[in-house]
Amino acid sequence: GAVVSQHPSWVICKSGTSVKIECRSLDFQATTMFWYRQFPKQSLMLMATSNEGSKATYEQGVEKDKFLINHASLTLSTLTVTSAHPEDSSFYICSARERLQGHEQFFGPGTRLTVL
Amino acid sequence: DAKTTQPPSMDCAEGRAANLPCNHSTISGNEYVYWYRQIHSQGPQYIIHGLKNNETNEMASLIITEDRKSSTLILPHATLRDTAVYYCIVRVALLSGGSNYKLTFGKGTLLTVNP
Repeated sequence: GAVVSQHPSWVICKSGTSVKIECRSLDFQATTMFWYRQFPKQSLMLMATSNEGSKATYEQGVEKDKFLINHASLTLSTLTVTSAHPEDSSFYICSARERLQGHEQFFGPGTRLTVL
Repeated sequence: DAKTTQPPSMDCAEGRAANLPCNHSTISGNEYVYWYRQIHSQGPQYIIHGLKNNETNEMASLIITEDRKSSTLILPHATLRDTAVYYCIVRVALLSGGSNYKLTFGKGTLLTVNP
C-alpha cells in the first residue's frame, strides 16, 4: 500500500514555542490530507481536513489560529502548533488520500509532541 | 453520521480465529463499513472495507449482515502481532457522490491475542 511519512516522530519543546510537523505521501499524490490528534488511551479525533491548494477545514472546537495547516503541494502537508502549551501534548497523526485511490486512506506513523 | 458500537475488549488465543463484532444500525444505503487497526503508538492501518457483500483479503474477512446493521471482522489465524485496537468505521460522505469523505473513529475494540 501507499506510504505516508511524518517528521519528526517525536518532539519535546518548551511552553510558548511553535512546533511544525510534516506529513508526506511518498509514492502517491495526496489531494486530501487529514490531521488527527490522539490523547493517551483515547481514540483519534479529527482536527482538520485539507485539500491541496486550498484552506483547511477545521472540526468544531479546533482553533485554526493555533493549529496552522498548510497543504501547499500534492505530497506535503504541515501542521504547526503555535505557542504550544502542556495541554497540547498529544500524539498527532496525519492521513492522506489520493483521488484515484478511491477508498483507502493511508495513515502516517504519528508524531509524539511533549510540551514542557 | 452513522454510529458504530463495538465491545471495548476481547481476548483470543494465538492461532485461533478472532471474530470482532460491530453494530451500525443507523447506516445509510450508500455508506461503507471500514476496519482499521492501531498497534500501540503507531498510526492506524487499513484492514478491509465493504458495502454489502462479504469481502476477503490477505489480512482478514469482513462479513456484513443482509440488513447491513452489523458486521464482523474475522482474523482467521490470530498471532501475537495482531494485538491492537480495532476500529469499525462507517464512512461519512462529505459531498454528494461520495468522492470526498472523512473517517470518524470511535473507541474501538482492544483485541489481545494470548500465547
